[in-house]
Amino acid sequence: DIQMTQSPSSLSASVGDRVTITCRASQDISNYLAWFQQKPGKAPKSLIYAASSLQGGVPSKFSGSGSGTDFTLTISSLQPEDFATYYCQQYHTYLGTFGQGTRVEIK
Amino acid sequence: EVQLVESGGGLVQPGGSLRLSCAASGFTFSSYEMNWVRQAPGKGLEWISYISSSGSTRYYADSVKGRFTISRDNAKNSLYLQMNSLRAEDTAVYSCARHPRGGGGYWGQGTLVTVSS
Repeated sequence: DIQMTQSPSSLSASVGDRVTITCRASQDISNYLAWFQQKPGKAPKSLIYAASSLQGGVPSKFSGSGSGTDFTLTISSLQPEDFATYYCQQYHTYLGTFGQGTRVEIK
Repeated sequence: EVQLVESGGGLVQPGGSLRLSCAASGFTFSSYEMNWVRQAPGKGLEWISYISSSGSTRYYADSVKGRFTISRDNAKNSLYLQMNSLRAEDTAVYSCARHPRGGGGYWGQGTLVTVSS
């Protein structure tokens, strides 16, 4: 099975900061990588698919990059509504494993 | 607007069964692969099952293989998860999710399954 490792597991940042979250796959997944945002008590919301394609309706402050085994999610200017937990998911294989999540907290 | 609405969760005793349903709307359901995903209280996301658009291909996580069965009825725009031999560790919010392939993923709000005596 493909393992997905996110880093960091949590971070503290201020409004206006640029934030980068990393996701590493245990083997080559090409660009079959999605990013999701989850707020407490809510369903995950898709941000990025195919590693760098922005989901419709998602603001352009979110961007994704990478291919193969190393991927990043960047939030260009953190806003109060962005404090949440972020997950990556590979879908190169049918067993669509998730990273363990990165919690973004207010500094 | 894509909508996925799960139902069928509840409290069940260990060893019991439940059948979850997911009603899809706002997209051509029969054209999309679907997943079931769960989240135990305070934990991360766990993918548990996949089904192809036609229903001919299905996969399961090791944690549920042999106990859970995914299915779909494209005429009814519905996805199902039959859960048998439930265990305490199956307690979680279960969500149906459109596969990210083909334009990104969408999730329902989920339905809570509690396995307890």
